[in-house]
Amino acid sequence: DQQVKQNSPSLSVQEGRISILNCDYTNSMFDYFLWYKKYPAEGPTFLISISSIKDKNEDGRFTVFLNKSAKHLSLHIVPSQPGDSAVYFCAASARYGGSQGNLIFGKGTKLSVKP
Amino acid sequence: EAQVTQNPRYLITVTGKKLTVTCSQNMNHEYMSWYRQDPGLGLRQIYYSMNVEVTDKGDVPEGYKVSRKEKRNFPLILESPSPNQTSLYFCASLSLGTGGNTIYFGEGSWLTVV
Repeated sequence: DQQVKQNSPSLSVQEGRISILNCDYTNSMFDYFLWYKKYPAEGPTFLISISSIKDKNEDGRFTVFLNKSAKHLSLHIVPSQPGDSAVYFCAASARYGGSQGNLIFGKGTKLSVKP
Repeated sequence: EAQVTQNPRYLITVTGKKLTVTCSQNMNHEYMSWYRQDPGLGLRQIYYSMNVEVTDKGDVPEGYKVSRKEKRNFPLILESPSPNQTSLYFCASLSLGTGGNTIYFGEGSWLTVV
């Protein structure tokens, strides 16, 4: 049973437009959410995070939105650039639960930004 | 520079021949973890460790062992590798402090079992 779901395996966007990557979760104990970016042949790198006490966190071109009632979060990239082409993983954890530190990952969404 | 270092980065081995993938971090993190990445399945956790001598199973622990004798090292052991363990493996570490759960990954180890 998947606790973190990224239902779109791939997404293609034109350069300069907005990329929206979606993530749903089922465990109501999750209180911290992260997005990771992964290029081929490299390890995932941290992109942006959000705590459950917030509904939005912004860092440059990247914004993460959290809708706790819907158990949904999304990553917005504006404007999208060809260098953003990568696989994006959503991850969640319950920092104050029994498995503190245990990150659960979604399956990833491959973003392609076309010039 | 904060680093998680895995070795080897690439390995082809034969079924049944024991192997160890080492992982070392220089950030004094309490928490370390191993993941495998397979097409269509994303990142799945194999084992994790909350601190020295404290390890626990993740989602896919079968066929793997780990040990945490010192804080900086968390080796992944395949006692008798099988072809279904052909995968890309990532070691990760993070601090369990109040700053959040930003996890740092190694560069990955490509393992092929024939």
